Amino acid sequence: GAVVSQHPSRVICKSGTSVKIECRSLDFQATTMFWYRQFPKQSLMLMATSNEGSKATYEQGVEKDKFLINHASLTLSTLTVTSAHPEDSSFYICSARTLPSNTGELFFGEGSRLTVL
Amino acid sequence: GQNIDQPTEMTATEGAIVQINCTYQTSGFNGLFWYQQHAGEAPTFLSYNVLDGLEEKGRFSSFLSRSKGYSYLLLKELQMKDSASYLCAVRYALGSSYKLIFGSGTRLLVRP
Repeated sequence: GAVVSQHPSRVICKSGTSVKIECRSLDFQATTMFWYRQFPKQSLMLMATSNEGSKATYEQGVEKDKFLINHASLTLSTLTVTSAHPEDSSFYICSARTLPSNTGELFFGEGSRLTVL
Repeated sequence: GQNIDQPTEMTATEGAIVQINCTYQTSGFNGLFWYQQHAGEAPTFLSYNVLDGLEEKGRFSSFLSRSKGYSYLLLKELQMKDSASYLCAVRYALGSSYKLIFGSGTRLLVRP
């Protein structure tokens, strides 16, 4: 399957600082990437859809000024958590879909675990 | 709105068969996926159904009934490594794009 890589896998930061998470498609071009958030023992919640060369589309309830998404190239999308607070601590996962695809399944990055102190 | 339901937890014995059910209510249905997720790891793709019927892939099979809004994942010859969360996900059309939403996941514990 296609490879999606995320970095960093773990990050600890102080409250009030900003953290950037990178998501790369290593062996394919992804015009669209998706950012999910997952709390312990819960499922993935779609935060936003990242579109190459245009603004991201955010889900209801997700603050676009707090979770900045940039999709500058066909292989890279970044999520920046600005002015992080402890309640932002979570597992953030990016995903992408290769096209053409018979199934259109998503391939996920390894995830980034953010802990805000 | 969109809604997906699946049991929270299930327990089964090594070597046995287990069926994980998923029911959904959605408009613009465009396919149902099953993913496996081990603790602390990203989900991995297991199966995809867009038409009614059974799709078999090795020890894993997935069934879909669109009229009933129902799917199940069948795991045969259970192994200890099958202990994981199993996520049911539904893709639906929204305007000119598609979205994928996930159920809360079913944690499967395989006992010796």
